[in-house]
Amino acid sequence: SYVLTQSPSLSVAPGETARLTCGGDNIGTKGVHWVQLRPGQAPVLVMSSAGDRPSGIPARISGSHSKNAAILTISGVEAGDEGDYFCHVWDYSEDEFVFGSGTRVTVL
Amino acid sequence: QLVQSADEMRRPGDSVQVSCQTSNYSFAHSGMSWLRLAPGRGLEWLGWISAYHGHTKYARKFQSRIELTIDKSTKTGYMKLSSLTSADTALYFCARDKLIGPGVEPVDVWGQGTRVTVSS
Repeated sequence: SYVLTQSPSLSVAPGETARLTCGGDNIGTKGVHWVQLRPGQAPVLVMSSAGDRPSGIPARISGSHSKNAAILTISGVEAGDEGDYFCHVWDYSEDEFVFGSGTRVTVL
Repeated sequence: QLVQSADEMRRPGDSVQVSCQTSNYSFAHSGMSWLRLAPGRGLEWLGWISAYHGHTKYARKFQSRIELTIDKSTKTGYMKLSSLTSADTALYFCARDKLIGPGVEPVDVWGQGTRVTVSS
């Protein structure tokens, strides 16, 4: 099955830029989505494939990709950006969603 | 908005049913996916159901013991998982999906989660 690789953690100071990477074989050909999980809150989709931001997500959050990596960039990091971020794609060979292991973002 | 049922505790071998009531969107023209966040295993997609005709698609790992259903009159989705083991201890989520099937786009609205604990 398809494997997505994420770094386990990232610490960033307020106002700085956080770059979260999601690695996968030829991931640039797939639709990659990102969801934020925070304790006690409903998860929030923060980026859809092709860099589409869902309604209500600020422009300082953007998505991009290369051949084997998708990147979620959060500029001007705020306290509310803390949480666990999971990249995911639809695996057509297995007919199911596949998730990365998640990156925990800590705002210093 | 998706509102899920309260947390549950079960014994190994039991079944659990979690509900998810919707509001503020056209339920009958949507689908619903179920996912879970398990300690040490991250997020997993369990399956999808069409709110219009009840068609389902399950992840291979769960297809022998999961059942998704819909009550259109109350705009509520249900997820039943059977033959529980401690490995099923997780936070379970419902999420709005597309009518035509999962994977077309990401799920875009999530419930708040229901914690299921399986312990003897």
